[in-house]
Amino acid sequence: EDQVTQSPEALRLQEGESSSLNCSYTVSGLRGLFWYRQDPGKGPEFLFTLYSAGEEKEKERLKATLTKKESFLHITAPKPEDSATYLCAGGFSGGYNKLIFGAGTRLAVHP
Amino acid sequence: NAGVTQTPKFQVLKTGQSMTLQCAQDMNHEYMSWYRQDPGMGLRLIHYSVGAGITDQGEVPNGYNVSRSTTEDFPLRLLSAAPSQTSVYFCASSPKTGSAFFGQGTRLTVV
Repeated sequence: EDQVTQSPEALRLQEGESSSLNCSYTVSGLRGLFWYRQDPGKGPEFLFTLYSAGEEKEKERLKATLTKKESFLHITAPKPEDSATYLCAGGFSGGYNKLIFGAGTRLAVHP
Repeated sequence: NAGVTQTPKFQVLKTGQSMTLQCAQDMNHEYMSWYRQDPGMGLRLIHYSVGAGITDQGEVPNGYNVSRSTTEDFPLRLLSAAPSQTSVYFCASSPKTGSAFFGQGTRLTVV
């Protein structure tokens, strides 16, 4: 069964304290691994798409990486405005509109 | 640039009532989808469409109907609302190859 699992469920960091969020997947025929950010009361906001093992993408303090079994979202020197829930999703053969989501990691960054 | 627009933002229904959640996109995307988000769980796919006139079931389709008469619109109908359908509903659109973009959500409570 296709599945996406995120860990930890919640993470509390001090401002400037770097860390990583994990997303492991068992999605057959994976065609893309997506990261989203979701703020309270809002819809998911697209961050990155990774297509193949070894690929990396960066945006400001965030860097996403992909292996054959998992993806990491590295947060370098986070700021309080990085506080949000980060969602990982796998898109499999058949279309990118059929995403399998993990439950998310709630990140809180304190000054 | 509106993106994906969902209406209403909030709705309270009585058990057994029916209603339609509206979703419109202005990006000329072929694919559109409906997800529901419940506490502690990832977003789950309800129904999706790969183009006007074509729809299919996702993971949790029971109790919901969809149709897609135009590229822009993809309404979700609740036939006879049940308390188990209390959730936050997200509509998403994506091009054939690319990332999904989400609306701001409809928070539905069934009493």
